[in-house]
Order: sequence, then structure tokens, then C-alpha cells
Amino acid sequence: DVKVTQSSRYLVKRTGEKVFLECVQDMDHENMFWYRQDPGLGLRLIYFSYDVKMKEKGDIPEGYSVSREKKERFSLILESASTNQTSMYLCASTQGRARNQPQHFGDGTRLSIL
Amino acid sequence: KNEVEQSPQNLTAQEEEFITINCSYSVGISALHWLQQHPGGGIVSLFMLSSGKKKHGRLIATINIQEKHSSLHITASHPRDSAVYICAVAGTGGGADGLTFGKGTHLIIQP
Repeated sequence: DVKVTQSSRYLVKRTGEKVFLECVQDMDHENMFWYRQDPGLGLRLIYFSYDVKMKEKGDIPEGYSVSREKKERFSLILESASTNQTSMYLCASTQGRARNQPQHFGDGTRLSIL
Repeated sequence: KNEVEQSPQNLTAQEEEFITINCSYSVGISALHWLQQHPGGGIVSLFMLSSGKKKHGRLIATINIQEKHSSLHITASHPRDSAVYICAVAGTGGGADGLTFGKGTHLIIQP
């Protein structure tokens, strides 16, 4: 079974801090995704990557950046955390094109910015 | 951009009832996903379909491409089916650019 592991289940940070969320998958998947999930809004795509060192903006990239130095690892970076970035963050991966492959999700990181 | 609408938003039913959750979308797609999210956050992929019907145990998913509509059915529902069910669609064209999600249906099955 594919395993997508997010580094933390719960995280509390302060406004202005630089925050790193890490995601690792163990199935050599090409595509990796970062989503955030908010009540009433559902899941929204922040960034995705289809290869090492490649990244593409999703629907809501403002305030975020990403890094993919190795195929198995995709990091989400909050450059200067703000309270409106308090949310549930979910990482996912797929083999091949996302359109034709199921997405495998991590358990999520519930991030609170105080 | 595709608009994905799910109904109902919330559903409470008794054990053994037949459950239907609906999903409609506005623009043509290459695939539609049904996902399940239990309290605590983890999301599991239930189905991915681009035409017709799929069945897995007590779960059945159907899609009508012409009408841009999909349904998820649960037969003989059980309290362990209580979860949020999320519909998501994948667009057409090249590249891998993630999914567009509905807001989810919160299902509670009472014993």
C-alpha cells in the first residue's frame, strides 16, 4: 500500500514565523500535491509538483512556497505565517497523471497560527 | 474553472437505510473521484470513474457524463459509514494539475 506521511499531525506556530510542513511518499510517485481544507470551503489546491525541482501554482498559492529536492519529499513553506493560514493541510501523491490515477492522501497536519 | 456541487450537505439516517449522495459539475471532466474522510482528517479514495458504474462492497458509484452528474450509494448503511464524503473532479487536457473538490457531505448513521 502507498504510504504518504506528513511530519506532524498538530502544529502550533506564531504569527511571522517561517513554517515548514513536510510530506514523504514511499511509492516513487511522480506527482505530489498540497491542499488546505477549511470549513465551508472544502479542499483547495495550493501547489503541486510533477517532478523533482518542478512546481506549479494551484488555486491559492499566495503566502506559500514549496520545495521538491527529492522525488519522495514535498515541502510546503509558509514564509511568514499569518492567522488566516490556520487550517488543515493535506498532502497527496499520484503515479502518472492525476486525472487518471487515484490520489493517496496523508493524514493531514492541523496548523494553528497564534 | 469547474464548479462542483454536492447534495445534501448534511445527512442523518438510521442504520440499514439506503443512502444517496449527489454530485454535479459544470465543465467536462476526465475522471470523477469519490473520497471518504473520517474524523481526525485522513482521506481515503473510494472510487475513480469516468463512465458507467462501479461497486465495492456496499458502496456503488455511478456517473452520467452527458448530465454531468454522479451519485454515491450506500446500501444497508452502518454507523461505521459515518464520515464526510467528498466528490472531486479531474479536468481534461495535458498535465497533472490536481483536483477540484466539492464541499463534502457529512453523513451520520445512527444505530
